Order: sequence, then C-alpha cells, then structure tokens
Amino acid sequence: DIVMTQTPLSLSVTPGQPASISCKSSQSLLHSDGKTYLYWYLQKPGQSPQLLIYEVSNRFSGVPDRFSGSGSGTDFTLKISRVEAEDVGVYYCMQSIQLPRYSFGQGTKLEIK
Amino acid sequence: QVQLVESGGGVVQPGGSLRLSCAASGFTFSSYGMHWVRQAPGKGLEWVAFIRYDGSNKYYADSVKGRFTISRDNSKNTLYLQMNSLRAEDTAVYYCAKSPFDYWGQGTLVTVSS
Repeated sequence: DIVMTQTPLSLSVTPGQPASISCKSSQSLLHSDGKTYLYWYLQKPGQSPQLLIYEVSNRFSGVPDRFSGSGSGTDFTLKISRVEAEDVGVYYCMQSIQLPRYSFGQGTKLEIK
Repeated sequence: QVQLVESGGGVVQPGGSLRLSCAASGFTFSSYGMHWVRQAPGKGLEWVAFIRYDGSNKYYADSVKGRFTISRDNSKNTLYLQMNSLRAEDTAVYYCAKSPFDYWGQGTLVTVSS
C-alpha cells in the first residue's frame, strides 16, 4: 500500500505570511496515462473536506490563487503565499493512483498566530 | 450546483447493521463513479469504497471488505452503503464523494456502541 507522509503535522502562521506543507508518497504517483494522482484538501473546523488542488498543481474551481501545488513522483508541496484567517483547518494530501487502496496523509493542522 | 446529502447514520450495537444513503443533485449522477470516505472522531480520513458510474465494479478497503456493500440507483440519483457486522472501530462520520473526490457531502455520523 502507498503511505502518504505529511510534514509538518502542525503549523502556526501569522496572517500575511507564507506557509508550506510537504507530502511524500512511498511510491511514485505518476500513472502510465501521464497524470500524477495527487490531491490536496482543506477541512475547515466542523466541515467536510474541500478540494483545493488536483493532479499536483491544478487549482479547483473557486480556489484562491494564493494556493499552489507543485512536485512530481513522490515529493509534493502545497504552498499558501499569504495566509488568511479563513485558511485555518486541517490540510490533507491524497493519492488515487492505486485503486482500491486510495490513501490520505495524516493531516497538517494550520492555525493563525 | 453539486449537492450530496448523506443520511441514515445513528447509534447501533456491535454486530448490527445500518444503511447509509447519499442523495445527489446538480450533476449527471449516472456518469460518475462515487466514493464513501469515513473519519473516526478526531482522526484522519479513510477511504472506504468506490463504485463505478454504472455499478459494474465495486472496490472496498480491506477494513470493511465482506461486511460493507456499496450500491447505487441511478434512477433515483442515490448512492448507498450497507454496513453489516458493525464494530466499535467503524464509528465515524461517513462522507460520500463524487469521483474524482471533487465534491463531498456534509457527512453522517455512525456510532457503534452497546
């Protein structure tokens, strides 16, 4: 099974400052179709997860451009250029290359200083 | 807009059964695969099951295989999860999600306790 490892597990950021979360997979997420099946989600307090980034670097509809994703193979990064108060919550990476063994990272809790 | 509304959660004794439903609207339900994902209290996300758009193939996490059954009724735009032989460790909020995990419902809480 593919293990997804996120670092750090918690983050405290001053509004307006950048933030970065790393996600490493135990196997390459590059599929033979040329796509890399790595997603990023934000779960705000008391809410269901919401998609931020799909296939490594594509922002989902309505996601602010301060969110960006990068990486390849087994190493991926989510960056927030300027953190805002509404960005508080738990961030998860997820791989969907290996059906039926989809897996999520442990989550990174972001709080505002 | 896409809406997914789960229902059917509740408190059930160990060994009992429960059926969850997920009513979909705002998209062509019969054209998309659907997932169930769960989250134990205070824990992370765990993928549970997937069904293809036409119900032709179904996939399960090892932790629920043989106990849970995913199904769908495209005429009713509804996804189901039949949960049998429930255990304490199945206690979680259960979310349905449209493939490829782009839209999620608000979740329904299942508590397995005597």
